[in-house]
Amino acid sequence: KAGVTQTPRYLIKTRGQQVTLSCSPISGHRSVSWYQQTPGQGLQFLFEYFSETQRNKGNFPGRFSGRQFSNSRSEMNVSTLELGDSALYLCASSFSTSGRRDTQYFGPGTRLTVL
Amino acid sequence: DQQVKQNSPSLSVQEGRISILNCDYTNSMFDYFLWYKKYPAEGPTFLISISSIKDKNEDGRFTVFLNKSAKHLSLHIVPSQPGDSAVYFCAAYNFGNEKLTFGTGTRLTIIP
Repeated sequence: KAGVTQTPRYLIKTRGQQVTLSCSPISGHRSVSWYQQTPGQGLQFLFEYFSETQRNKGNFPGRFSGRQFSNSRSEMNVSTLELGDSALYLCASSFSTSGRRDTQYFGPGTRLTVL
Repeated sequence: DQQVKQNSPSLSVQEGRISILNCDYTNSMFDYFLWYKKYPAEGPTFLISISSIKDKNEDGRFTVFLNKSAKHLSLHIVPSQPGDSAVYFCAAYNFGNEKLTFGTGTRLTIIP
């Protein structure tokens, strides 16, 4: 079974631009979560989508948004990029029906650098 | 407000010895805890978990201990092997808001 894939793997943008990251979950997984990883901060939860609906949200500004398609693929968008948005963005998928503690499987991440 | 803390950013252990990674949490709503392992250029992979109703869970060389009164969990790896060199994240699941909160990670280096 193919793992979680994320595209692109690396991205360089300048301040003020916007960016869209993509995540394809493991086949059959309906939940996709997004995390931001920065040095010293660990993984910070951005949001979770399940069946095309945002089910949960972390404490990030509205510049960070996402969506999920009917095939469970998810995109994350960051508008008006700031230098502090430079990070590794990870997505994770899980089967997640009623058991919300399902093991999450992570993709390799997208390394975003904002200049 | 870091609700899950890994106070040691790095740890070096001799091959064959025991590695002990620690994690402290502050939120009593956490009821399920996990450890993830991350190699460079890869996403974290699930290692082991423990429910708050238990105080120990073992899987091969990996054992997780939970001390609820101290709000502390630890991961023991014995014997440590070179392939265990990675960054380890502890994570805690909050049944109240259904969110998974990660610690900042500990880089484990196994010395041959």
